Amino acid sequence: AQKVTQAQTEISVVEKEDVTLDCVYETRDTTYYLFWYKQPPSGELVFLIRRNSFDEQNEISGRYSWNFQKSTSSFNFTITASQVVDSAVYFCALSEAGIYNQGGKLIFGQGTELSVKP
Amino acid sequence: DTAVSQTPKYLVTQMGNDKSIKCEQNLGHDTMYWYKQDSKKFLKIMFSYNNKELIINETVPNRFSPKSPDKAHLNLHINSLELGDSAVYFCASSQGRGHSYEQYFGPGTRLTVT
Repeated sequence: AQKVTQAQTEISVVEKEDVTLDCVYETRDTTYYLFWYKQPPSGELVFLIRRNSFDEQNEISGRYSWNFQKSTSSFNFTITASQVVDSAVYFCALSEAGIYNQGGKLIFGQGTELSVKP
Repeated sequence: DTAVSQTPKYLVTQMGNDKSIKCEQNLGHDTMYWYKQDSKKFLKIMFSYNNKELIINETVPNRFSPKSPDKAHLNLHINSLELGDSAVYFCASSQGRGHSYEQYFGPGTRLTVT
């Protein structure tokens, strides 16, 4: 069965620290996409990144980086030199390519609440 | 310009009432979705429409009825509201159907049933 697990419910760091948010997924499909979304205190959901199952290259975007490892079914997210504005709930999500997901359903993890203190 | 908009942002109502939430996207996307976020922040899909056709109906009670008058709009009507319906409802859209498209979310509608 498909599942996304974000074991860290809450993380608290001090500004400028690096922090890694873990995401582990389960799927029987060989073709799938993984996503990260940010939900700041204002409540909206902001798309951060999309990664397909055949592309294991790490991605870096400014202070954000993502490490995708199929061998461990993980898609971890690292924020370097964290800032107060990074405080938010971060969600990892999975979308499978199987015939039962013609609608593009996203399966979300439970979310990790990151608090960055000044 | 707001890409995906929802109205209202807040909705407080009593048990047994019927209410609607409207969603509009100006991104030219073909596919739209409704998700429910519960009090523990867990997000779960409810419905997906592609070009006004229902694609996903994820075991949601019959009291919830989505309607898509055109591909830019997806409304959610809820009959006989119950306390357990209290949640934040998010509308989203994507360029196409299928697993590879990122979804863009609206600001959410916080529904409180008293």
